[in-house]
Amino acid sequence: QKEVEQNSGPLSVPEGAIASLNCTYSDRGSQSFFWYRQYSGKSPELIMSIYSNGDKEDGRFTAQLNKASQYVSLLIRDSQPSDSATYLCAAIPIQGAQKLVFGQGTRLTINP
Amino acid sequence: EPEVTQTPSHQVTQMGQEVILRCVPISNHLYFYWYRQILGQKVEFLVSFYNNEISEKSEIFDDQFSVERPDGSNFTLKIRSTKLEDSAMYFCASSDRVNQPQHFGDGTRLSIL
Repeated sequence: QKEVEQNSGPLSVPEGAIASLNCTYSDRGSQSFFWYRQYSGKSPELIMSIYSNGDKEDGRFTAQLNKASQYVSLLIRDSQPSDSATYLCAAIPIQGAQKLVFGQGTRLTINP
Repeated sequence: EPEVTQTPSHQVTQMGQEVILRCVPISNHLYFYWYRQILGQKVEFLVSFYNNEISEKSEIFDDQFSVERPDGSNFTLKIRSTKLEDSAMYFCASSDRVNQPQHFGDGTRLSIL
């Protein structure tokens, strides 16, 4: 069973601080990784994609991938109350496959 | 920015009835997907569709489910005889290539009574 695991939280972070979200995956063959944000009752919204080991930055967001440790993370700098949401980690389990396998999501609350 | 659109936003149906959920993927995308999310649970893959045929499906996608691209823009999910446990949010997604980000529609909330 190909799994993506996340700490379900809730994770509470003060406004302006860095929020750190973590994810592990079981399928060593996974090649593509994504972070989605999901507000309550809404659909997943793509934030970041990452395919290679290392860091990838986009504005206040940084995704980190470590394939040897099978670990993906998302850092949110200068956290804002509008960042309060559930963050979903997802992976495509093997090269050429098409389905996304999602984690259960981490609920993040930014406190003003 | 182009987006995936889904209709209806909410569908209420009696158990045993057929339901069709509709999606218009992003126009230059070639890969189409359906996912579902039961309240409080993970987003789960149902099926992927490429070149007018199913390319991958999950164990959830049994004989009561079918997908179709009836014309150049729509992509539909049909549930033939709905069960109470089919109650969920159903998301359509599309991508332009394999292994690339999938963009989700706003979803259809399906309630089976």
